[in-house]
Amino acid sequence: NAGVTQTPKFQVLKTGQSMTLQCAQDMNHEYMSWYRQDPGMGLRLIHYSVGAGITDQGEVPNGYNVSRSTTEDFPLRLLSAAPSQTSVYFCASSYGDNKGTEAFFGQGTRLTVV
Amino acid sequence: GNSVTQMEGPVTLSEEAFLTINCTYTATGYPSLFWYVQYPGEGLQLLLKATKADDKGSNKGFEATYRKETTSFHLEKGSVQVSDSAVYFCALYSSASKIIFGSGTRLSIRP
Repeated sequence: NAGVTQTPKFQVLKTGQSMTLQCAQDMNHEYMSWYRQDPGMGLRLIHYSVGAGITDQGEVPNGYNVSRSTTEDFPLRLLSAAPSQTSVYFCASSYGDNKGTEAFFGQGTRLTVV
Repeated sequence: GNSVTQMEGPVTLSEEAFLTINCTYTATGYPSLFWYVQYPGEGLQLLLKATKADDKGSNKGFEATYRKETTSFHLEKGSVQVSDSAVYFCALYSSASKIIFGSGTRLSIRP
């Protein structure tokens, strides 16, 4: 009963490095999202996807890319890491666009950019 | 645009105390409202929800009522336990998997 799985749990990057945060869900959910969590700011939406092959920008998309080649996977790419991207990243999935639909979250990736 | 404002923390209470965490929202129409909880080192999980005005969501002794007239969704619990220590997020469902979160309230319960 895995739910939403994120890897890695922790990562330290140097400024300018690139990396991919992995997210996989095994619930056959159509909708997947990436959020970042910063102190005092709650969670802010980075990118989201409403199905395989379809992605769109959220509130804070700059510096991040996503793709959705399968229903299960939704990786988040940092192209050239900056200290401002130090944050905790959460991936979430949900069944569909129903206003009462619950979102399921992964355990998060804590990223530090030095 | 849609937004959520919730009570700033941290909130520290003694065990068995009464808890209220205030949450108000701004939105067009009548979005679904949620409380999510984040225990230390974990992701967020849904605590309760309400999908229309006057609905009451409840779970694990927590309750919140969707008040259209005051645009509020305050979280309450009659008697908190140490195990309730966590960060609580009020949120509203916007569209197409977009959830808008408040800034979170850290709750600590003393034995």
